[in-house]
Amino acid sequence: DAGVIQSPRHEVTEMGQEVTLRCKPISGHDYLFWYRQTMMRGLELLIYFNNNVPIDDSGMPEDRFSAKMPNASFSTLKIQPSEPRDSAVYFCASSLLWGSDSPLHFGNGTRLTVT
Amino acid sequence: ELKVEQNPLFLSMQEGKNYTIYCNYSTTSDRLYWYRQDPGKSLESLFVLLSNGAVKQEGRLMASLDTKARLSTLHITAAVHDLSATYFCAVDRDDKIIFGKGTRLHILP
Repeated sequence: DAGVIQSPRHEVTEMGQEVTLRCKPISGHDYLFWYRQTMMRGLELLIYFNNNVPIDDSGMPEDRFSAKMPNASFSTLKIQPSEPRDSAVYFCASSLLWGSDSPLHFGNGTRLTVT
Repeated sequence: ELKVEQNPLFLSMQEGKNYTIYCNYSTTSDRLYWYRQDPGKSLESLFVLLSNGAVKQEGRLMASLDTKARLSTLHITAAVHDLSATYFCAVDRDDKIIFGKGTRLHILP
């Protein structure tokens, strides 16, 4: 299994531009999570999906952030317009949670820099 | 609201010593996780603890869970330099998984 795949690995963009981060979960996993990591705030849960349906998006910082999961093998996190304070590492993770001792499997992350 | 607190946040210790990292959480939980993160890398799963009294061990690391006290510990035995990393605990409540701030562990040779 290739694991959770995120793209791009690095993204540098100018303030005001749209940014789209992509994630392919492990096949068969029914939960998908988006986290943001910064030195100041640590790992913040942004949103998570179960069977492609958003369950809790209370961690999404503002309306500038949106996430979709159109099918079981793909999810996107979009920031429009981007701001310098959005600079962080964004992780996607997937899991089989219900009744299992399966951990979250993390992708390698996307390092976003907004100038 | 689920809150997860780790302590200490920073720990510098000598090789060969033992130490414990603590993880407290504010509400009942379904699962508790421990992860390791090396600088610039992703998170690697160490343990998943499901029930009160659960204990798991892998090499020099041992994790335990006390659901009544809402406390998990990660014990390091005879530390070696390779264990230098940041360790996170995370708590699952109703499938919402919240992470602690992490404990940055530096092991001196």
